[in-house]
Amino acid sequence: QVQLVESGGGVVQPGRSLRLSCAASGFTFSGYALHWVRQAPGKGLEWVAVISYDGTKKYYADSVKGRFTISRDNAQNTLFLQMNSLRAEDTAVYYCARGDFNTPMAAHCGYWGQGTLVTVSS
Amino acid sequence: QSVLTQPPSASGAPGQRVTISCSGSSSNIGSHYVYWYQQLPGTAPKLLIYKSDQRPSGVPDRFSGSKSGTSASLAISGLRSEDESDYSCAAWDDSLSGVVFGEGTKLTVL
Repeated sequence: QVQLVESGGGVVQPGRSLRLSCAASGFTFSGYALHWVRQAPGKGLEWVAVISYDGTKKYYADSVKGRFTISRDNAQNTLFLQMNSLRAEDTAVYYCARGDFNTPMAAHCGYWGQGTLVTVSS
Repeated sequence: QSVLTQPPSASGAPGQRVTISCSGSSSNIGSHYVYWYQQLPGTAPKLLIYKSDQRPSGVPDRFSGSKSGTSASLAISGLRSEDESDYSCAAWDDSLSGVVFGEGTKLTVL
């Protein structure tokens, strides 16, 4: 069965960096786009970034562009999110989700991980 | 303010039918498929409807999606207590070159 397990969350000071990971299993990892989606406490879902199946195409939300970098290692079946210059408003549960097998340009998140909490606070 | 507009709340009695709307524009819903997600309290979201009107395996046929122009709707018939949840719509947006979500609708089963 499809499994996505996020890790790397925690408490970090404003301006510092954090790297999230998402270990995948149960499907052909290299065949699918992958998303990061976050949810601030008590708020709705906010899309963060998507990467194509081969890592050549990446798209970001304006709120994280220039600060966050999405990447993947298809040999290790792992998705990453490098988060730099963190701000208080980045505090959220971060989910990884399996995207579409055809294109990264779709809001298709077929499977989700359980999420990892990132808290940005001094 | 989300790009996709949903009502913040909806409600219905058990057995009734409720509809949740999602309004967008030509750059998102008007040009791309709509996806609906269900999020039970304290859990990760779950895909409910894909490609505007398709149900993944395991999703009851009480749930249905539709799209017309720049708007979409999620309908839930035969309402049950376990349907009490948050529902969010999403679509790709060409102007933003990214995915946009609605702010979510909290469904209460009376």
